[in-house]
Amino acid sequence: SQKIEQNSEALNIQEGKTATLTCNYTNYSPAYLQWYRQDPGRGPVFLLLIRENEKEKRKERLKVTFDTTLKQSLFHITASQPADSATYLCAPLNRDDKIIFGKGTRLHILP
Amino acid sequence: NAGVTQTPKFQVLKTGQSMTLQCAQDMNHNSMYWYRQDPGMGLRLIYYSASEGTTDKGEVPNGYNVSRLNKREFSLRLESAAPSQTSVYFCASRVDRVGLQPQHFGDGTRLSIL
Repeated sequence: SQKIEQNSEALNIQEGKTATLTCNYTNYSPAYLQWYRQDPGRGPVFLLLIRENEKEKRKERLKVTFDTTLKQSLFHITASQPADSATYLCAPLNRDDKIIFGKGTRLHILP
Repeated sequence: NAGVTQTPKFQVLKTGQSMTLQCAQDMNHNSMYWYRQDPGMGLRLIYYSASEGTTDKGEVPNGYNVSRLNKREFSLRLESAAPSQTSVYFCASRVDRVGLQPQHFGDGTRLSIL
């Protein structure tokens, strides 16, 4: 069955450093991959989308990579700030629009 | 901009009671979705509506029914609530069922079944 794996443990990063979150998927080949941010008590909010033919996508301090050979996406936050603390969800997307969300990784940026 | 609005925000029910969760979006989106989110389980799709007048089952539809009342509104009904349905329920909308547009989520309904 299709499966998505994100870091199950919370990630603690010192302020100013780069945070790197991992999303691995198995048993399917998504055409696109989305990343969402979720704050406590709130719904997920879309951040970035990357296509299968794109190696890298950037938006301000955010960078996403997509390696279809490794079946992996990496999500980087550079110059991290305490306000970046949240849960981050990856969501691979098939061409038939089937979206499956990962369980998310909790990120804590320590001041 | 309101985006996706869910009501109520919190609810406590007794086993066997019924309840309808309401969702409305003001973005003129065609597709709408209902998810539940449980600790350690992530977001799981219950039902979705690709367009007004259509609904389809998702990953975990048992115990739920939905109604796409019009283009704006998509409700989720629990006919006979069970403790296993204690969860946070999220409604989402999207421009269309296919394509690159993201989903827009409401802030959830926290439901406890005693």
